[in-house]
Amino acid sequence: SAVISQKPSRDICQRGTSLTIQCQVDSQVTMMFWYRQQPGQSLTLIATANQGSEATYESGFVIDKFPISRPNLTFSTLTVSNMSPEDSSIYLCSVEEGVYGYTFGSGTRLTVV
Amino acid sequence: GENVEQHPSTLSVQEGDSAVIKCTYSDSASNYFPWYKQELGKRPQLIIDIRSNVGEKKDQRIAVTLNKTAKHFSLHITETQPEDSAVYFCAASMSGTSYDKVIFGPGTSLSVIP
Repeated sequence: SAVISQKPSRDICQRGTSLTIQCQVDSQVTMMFWYRQQPGQSLTLIATANQGSEATYESGFVIDKFPISRPNLTFSTLTVSNMSPEDSSIYLCSVEEGVYGYTFGSGTRLTVV
Repeated sequence: GENVEQHPSTLSVQEGDSAVIKCTYSDSASNYFPWYKQELGKRPQLIIDIRSNVGEKKDQRIAVTLNKTAKHFSLHITETQPEDSAVYFCAASMSGTSYDKVIFGPGTSLSVIP
């Protein structure tokens, strides 16, 4: 299955600033997904990113807050903008690999102070 | 959109006993149902999955069943071991369609007591 490198692994940020999370896959994939996992909670889908088109956002998530780039078939970024303490969470990227299902990156643990 | 429910939220079993986690989904178009295990501080790991053209699938101590009519699917772990302790998530997706995305259930925290 694919190997996904996600960085940074963790960060502590000041409120009002922005953080960009990178996700690099070792093979070409059509669809990449970004999730948020708040402490002790399940995974909530933020958006789906296809190469060459704008990301599709789930209800409750907007592009101005979580802009996503997908410049090619192996890379994507998620930016968390104008952060507040409520954005403290783990952010994970994921790819679909056909018969291998969906694989996750190691996650980015974000703390906003 | 798809909604996945999962029960129980917590489950404690004695080592060697069986554990069963049940999920329901809302969208009859969902066709792929993975189960993930997440240990503390780690990423979710796929442990077994089932597609809508299959009613049951087994992999050693783990089995999954799917009832498409009732929109139910379940995870069965036999002969549980302490290392099975983790949070388990069921999920549903419309794999291979333009609506392809994985929607997760709320999770079950499984504790296996030695």
